[in-house]
Formats: sequence, structure tokens, C-alpha cells
Amino acid sequence: DQQVKQNSPSLSVQEGRISILNCDYTNSMFDYFLWYKKYPAEGPTFLISISSIKDKNEDGRFTVFLNKSAKHLSLHIVPSQPGDSAVYFCAASARSQGNLIFGKGTKLSVKP
Amino acid sequence: DAGVIQSPRHEVTEMGQEVTLRCKPISGHDYLFWYRQTMMRGLELLIYFNNNVPIDDSGMPEDRFSAKMPNASFSTLKIQPSEPRDSAVYFCASSFSQGGTNQPQHFGDGTRLSIL
Repeated sequence: DQQVKQNSPSLSVQEGRISILNCDYTNSMFDYFLWYKKYPAEGPTFLISISSIKDKNEDGRFTVFLNKSAKHLSLHIVPSQPGDSAVYFCAASARSQGNLIFGKGTKLSVKP
Repeated sequence: DAGVIQSPRHEVTEMGQEVTLRCKPISGHDYLFWYRQTMMRGLELLIYFNNNVPIDDSGMPEDRFSAKMPNASFSTLKIQPSEPRDSAVYFCASSFSQGGTNQPQHFGDGTRLSIL
């Protein structure tokens, strides 16, 4: 039973356009959410996070939105660049636990 | 600053052999995590430590898997005996707790394990 779901295995976007990656979760105890980016043959790299007390966090071209009532979060990349092509993982944790629960990832391809 | 260091990067061995994966966390981090990534199951948490003490090993698939953290700068994940279905990429990650709040985990580049 997946607690964190990324329903789109892949996404293709034109360079310069917006990329929107989506993530749904089921556990209402989750209070901390993260996005990781992963290139082939490398480990996941932390990208951006958001606490459940916020509904938006922005860092440069990357913005994460959290909708607690819908148990949904999304990552917006604007503008998308070819170097953003990677697998993006959504992850969540509860304050009472030290571990992260990961989604299965979305492969983003940004075409020049 | 050095990140999380894992060794070896690749391991190919025959079924039945013992396999030991190694991890050096980032200095100062008090949490250490072992994950396994497969196509079917994605990234799964196997076990994690806090201050060198195992906290949750419910993700360890079988008794063939064991993990130790003898000190703050070193951890091992051992599989004995290994089986072909153990073939996967194994990641180690570390993080630090700050005032009880969660902090991002930092991952190593993984060990790609192939059991023939």
C-alpha cells in the first residue's frame, strides 16, 4: 500500500516551458515533504522541501505547492532547462519518525 | 565538504556468497539510512540508525540481511548468503536532527549489486 504516489512515470516538456510534477499522499500524519532529483548512476539529490504549516515554498526556478486538504503536492520548474532532465522523487515524513517514504519517481525530459 | 561515501560502487558476485556494502556518512550527521532501489518497488527503506543505534529495521527483507553501525562514521550492510533477487542499487543516506525538526537526507551514489 503506497503512502506516497507519483502517478505519472514520465513527463516531456519543451525547454523554456513550465514543468509540473505531481505527488499524492495518504497518511495525514505526514508533516514534511521533499523533492529529490536523481541523475543516472548517482544518488538522489535534495532539491526543495516544505513543512505542513506552509502551502508554498520557492527556491529560484523551483516552487513546491502543498494542498493539505487534497493531500497533494506539486513541484513547478519554471523555466525548464535541458539539465533538469532527471527522475524526480517526492518524499514525505512524519515528525514522530526519522525516515522518509518515497514515491516511485517521475522521469522528466526537457527537450531543447 | 565530502558527501556520503559508499563502497564499492559496483559489486558482482555469485549466488551464495557474502556481500558487504559500506557507508561513511557526512560528519556530524546523527541519522543513517540504508535504502534499496529496484524497478518494481522503487526506493525502499531497509533500516535506519540514530546515534549509531538501530531504530527501525522493519524494512530488512530477511534474516540474510544485517546492518551495523559500530561508530558515527561507518556503517555496513551485509547479505549472507546472497541470492539473485537481491540484485539492486543500495543507497546509504545521512541527516542530522535540528531541534527535533526534520532535515533533508543526503544520499551517497549507491552500490550497484548484481548476484549471478
